[in-house]
Amino acid sequence: SQTIHQWPATLVQPVGSPLSLECTVEGTSNPNLYWYRQAAGRGLQLLFYSVGIGQISSEVPQNLSASRPQDRQFILSSKKLLLSDSGFYLCAWTPDSAPGNTIYFGEGSWLTVV
Amino acid sequence: QKEVEQDPGPLSVPEGAIVSLNCTYSNSAFQYFMWYRQYSRKGPELLMYTYSSGNKEDGRFTAQVDKSSKYISLFIRDSQPSDSATYLCAMSTYYSSASKIIFGSGTRLSIRP
Repeated sequence: SQTIHQWPATLVQPVGSPLSLECTVEGTSNPNLYWYRQAAGRGLQLLFYSVGIGQISSEVPQNLSASRPQDRQFILSSKKLLLSDSGFYLCAWTPDSAPGNTIYFGEGSWLTVV
Repeated sequence: QKEVEQDPGPLSVPEGAIVSLNCTYSNSAFQYFMWYRQYSRKGPELLMYTYSSGNKEDGRFTAQVDKSSKYISLFIRDSQPSDSATYLCAMSTYYSSASKIIFGSGTRLSIRP
């Protein structure tokens, strides 16, 4: 069965510090990978998605970047965090064969920028 | 107008009640419909998905799609305190890129013991 792992689960970072959130998917190959952000009381905002190694599409211009160095690894980064980057970040994947059908989420990473 | 509208709640019902959660949408091209359950500080968990119109049942959960009205529902029978969570609807066109999956903003549900 397929599983998705995301870490760290919680982090508190000062303004201006870098960020790296990692996500890996097991039990499948060539998944589509996604990073979402969920602000308190609000819906899911798609940040980045990737259909393959090195292929990144950005949905929202901002202070963040994403990379996919391996087939089942997706990384969300920032060089200098802003207060507005605080939120709940979710990694997700969909099967390559039917990307529009169902999407599966990781446990999430809570980021507080202070 | 948002593509998907979902009442944010909160919705509070007594244990054992039947719960009805709903979403409306505007894009008639949507064909795949999903419901997710999200506990506090956790990632959303896929509960049910349906294709096109009709009903789908899984244990205490029933998903219903009415494409003519552009309206979907999730019913929870014999609700339990463990059902207390935020429920998100999601929908997409068939075989579209997942970047085009549209989520509702979620309904917060509380089941009172």
